[in-house]
Amino acid sequence: AQSVTQLDSQVPVFEEAPVELRCNYSSSVSVYLFWYVQYPNQGLQLLLKYLSGSTLVKGINGFEAEFNKSQTSFHLRKPSVHISDTAEYFCAVVPQGGSEKLVFGKGTKLTVNP
Amino acid sequence: ETGVTQTPRHLVMGMTNKKSLKCEQHLGHNAMYWYKQSAKKPLELMFVYNFKEQTENNSVPSRFSPECPNSSHLFLHLHTLQPEDSALYLCASSLALWAEAFFGQGTRLTVV
Repeated sequence: AQSVTQLDSQVPVFEEAPVELRCNYSSSVSVYLFWYVQYPNQGLQLLLKYLSGSTLVKGINGFEAEFNKSQTSFHLRKPSVHISDTAEYFCAVVPQGGSEKLVFGKGTKLTVNP
Repeated sequence: ETGVTQTPRHLVMGMTNKKSLKCEQHLGHNAMYWYKQSAKKPLELMFVYNFKEQTENNSVPSRFSPECPNSSHLFLHLHTLQPEDSALYLCASSLALWAEAFFGQGTRLTVV
């Protein structure tokens, strides 16, 4: 079975600072990886995904993530955050092409302060 | 706009009421899901439907009853709920179980 660990439940940063949200996963098979963002009282929105190919994946709103197979990580980064990036971020994993569904991490609450 | 529409967006119901949540997608997806999101708790998967067949029920109390009449629609029927059932209920769909999920905006349910 797959599992996802988001190491930080809350990350406070100042506006225009860089940020990294950490995600580690556990799986015995190859996986697809996703990052979602959730703004208050809304559903989850896909930020980016890794399916195959380049390990550096670019997403919406200036976010990017790097897949590191040896470290089983898929950390999310942004070089300069805005107040509007304040939200909860979820990492998710699923085995490639199988019959299993997405497994989500517990989420990281990013708060961007002025 | 993700292509997954949930109604209503907000619902207040008494413990003796019966209500239903509706989810609709016209993305051609074959899998649909109900999640519960409570304050300060992880996202909880409740039910999974794949090609209209329920494939997963994660020990959800019987006061929650899902229905999937076709691949585009998913309902969650609610009856005799408890105050602790108050939460954001999210519907999602995906092309296949292994594919990315598209989420609706959620229904904020308050049980009084």
